[in-house]
Amino acid sequence: GAVVSQHPSWVICKSGTSVKIECRSLDFQATTMFWYRQFPKQSLMLMATSNEGSKATYEQGVEKDKFLINHASLTLSTLTVTSAHPEDSSFYICSARDLLAGGHTGELFFGEGSRLTVL
Amino acid sequence: GESVGLHLPTLSVQEGDNSIINCAYSNSASDYFIWYKQESGKGPQFIIDIRSNMDKRQGQRVTVLLNKTVKHLSLQIAATQPGDSAVYFCAENTPDSWGKFQFGAGTQVVVTP
Repeated sequence: GAVVSQHPSWVICKSGTSVKIECRSLDFQATTMFWYRQFPKQSLMLMATSNEGSKATYEQGVEKDKFLINHASLTLSTLTVTSAHPEDSSFYICSARDLLAGGHTGELFFGEGSRLTVL
Repeated sequence: GESVGLHLPTLSVQEGDNSIINCAYSNSASDYFIWYKQESGKGPQFIIDIRSNMDKRQGQRVTVLLNKTVKHLSLQIAATQPGDSAVYFCAENTPDSWGKFQFGAGTQVVVTP
């Protein structure tokens, strides 16, 4: 099946620095990708929808200037956590939609997640 | 949706028994549902899905039941195995926002020998 790859799988950074997380669709083109955040022992919370060639749309309560999303190609979306602080420590997961699979709505595939720890 | 707390509900199941995991979804307009399995430190893994025009769907060792009247979803795992130990999430989607899944709180399944 289709594979979505995230990089890095884990990262530790100092408070105040910025961290970039990549989400790639390896064998399909994804015009739409989604970014989720998951705190320990909690569920996945949708942060934003990443659209290739246009601005991302953010869910209520998610700071767009804090979490910068760029979807410059049909196989890559990046999430940059700017000026990271310890409360940003979380598991960040992306999903990508393969429009050529699963009928007109496409099929959704999840990455393995990226664990961010901010010291 | 379900409230999200710091402690996941836990279902302890003996190996070989059947498991039933329940989920209450929030949006009556949701027309597509997926059950995901998440192992520690990994992303969600698709198990089975169901559309709102169905009330039951079966896969390999798994069955999903949908009751739209009470907005309830369940996942049944037959002959539970140690490899089934994980957190299970239901996720719902509405027609006007495909792919923007809303996840339930999750249930930790622990399979004991």
